[in-house]
Amino acid sequence: EPEVTQTPSHQVTQMGQEVILRCVPISNHLYFYWYRQILGQKVEFLVSFYNNEISEKSEIFDDQFSVERPDGSNFTLKIRSTKLEDSAMYFCASSAAVTYEQYFGPGTRLTVT
Amino acid sequence: AQSVTQLDSQVPVFEEAPVELRCNYSSSVSVYLFWYVQYPNQGLQLLLKYLSGSTLVKGINGFEAEFNKSQTSFHLRKPSVHISDTAEYFCAVFSGGYQKVTFGTGTKLQVIP
Repeated sequence: EPEVTQTPSHQVTQMGQEVILRCVPISNHLYFYWYRQILGQKVEFLVSFYNNEISEKSEIFDDQFSVERPDGSNFTLKIRSTKLEDSAMYFCASSAAVTYEQYFGPGTRLTVT
Repeated sequence: AQSVTQLDSQVPVFEEAPVELRCNYSSSVSVYLFWYVQYPNQGLQLLLKYLSGSTLVKGINGFEAEFNKSQTSFHLRKPSVHISDTAEYFCAVFSGGYQKVTFGTGTKLQVIP
């Protein structure tokens, strides 16, 4: 069964550094998403992306965050200058259509020191 | 807006006893409903989903859930739990109008030997 993959599984970075989290969505999916889960808290929506544009974003997704689909298979989340509070598990998801269910990747644990 | 309420933050239960984890949702449009399980330091695993059709949904690991539209509930049940079911369980709702999955705050299931 096709699945969403994410790399790396764990990323450690220093405060103020840029980090890029990578995701490979399911190949025929058109909608892509990022969520995050701070340790001990619930999963929160960050952003949705379709047709090379952000279609919706939450208040968490400020100017420090950006997303990109640099080629036909990858979907990335960039954090320009990481803060301690960016430490979290980041989940990528994709769906075939906006009304269809989303499939989640295994997550990348980001630790900012 | 859509929202999910999981009233029980922790549920202790003895091994081989039945368990019910409660979930209520609100949404102004038709919804898809999901239960995910998260083992410590791991990603989200889909347990089961309700998209349409039969209101009783069976999932992996012997779990099932019933969609009740009039009560806006989607409670998760298992007739006999095992130690290995110890994990955190998240209820989630998706409606196409919002392009995002909204998660509940999670319920920690602790199975006592």
